[in-house]
Amino acid sequence: GAVVSQHPSWVICKSGTSVKIECRSLDFQATTMFWYRQFPKQSLMLMATSNEGSKATYEQGVEKDKFLINHASLTLSTLTVTSAHPEDSSFYICSATVDGKTQYFGPGTRLLVL
Amino acid sequence: AQSVTQPDIHITVSEGASLELRCNYSYGATPYLFWYVQSPGQGLQLLLKYFSGDTLVQGIKGFEAEFKRSQSSFNLRKPSVHWSDAAEYFCAVGANNAGNMLTFGGGTRLMVKP
Repeated sequence: GAVVSQHPSWVICKSGTSVKIECRSLDFQATTMFWYRQFPKQSLMLMATSNEGSKATYEQGVEKDKFLINHASLTLSTLTVTSAHPEDSSFYICSATVDGKTQYFGPGTRLLVL
Repeated sequence: AQSVTQPDIHITVSEGASLELRCNYSYGATPYLFWYVQSPGQGLQLLLKYFSGDTLVQGIKGFEAEFKRSQSSFNLRKPSVHWSDAAEYFCAVGANNAGNMLTFGGGTRLMVKP
């Protein structure tokens, strides 16, 4: 139980294009989902907290117009990287909580912007 | 605000040897404590968690952790390491007043010698 999926698992795009990453809780309803970014050999950096039906809460330093988050249902949240640039290349991981405490993580999406 | 420290960036153990990964946290009340494991290019898998009650918690894959309030620690242990345990391990702390957010330690990379 408590399975979270992400799609795509990896994506390569040209600079200036937008990329959408989906995060789904497969066997539970998640009122809260989280988006993280992870640089090589580093820990996770929280980007934003997403609650179903409301606007996401972004961490300091994360551009909300750059990283658009939509949480339209209890099982789906999306992260759109708009006008992507090479510095946006990273590993993006989502998580979802079922009990308000424990976060279950997706497998991650590797983004490479050329 | 809570913080988490994993003092060991790298640890190498021989297969079959015992393992202890250290985690120290800073928080005023009793936190929620977690250990996650991440294989290269993958998301995070929950190993175990502590909310309250018995301070020795058992997790998956033969791991256990002990919450020691007096030492503000939540060290992860395994009596006999397998080569497949080689991965990155993250300790994380959550709190009631933190909106379900987790604070992660910097991670410990475990290498297993044959």
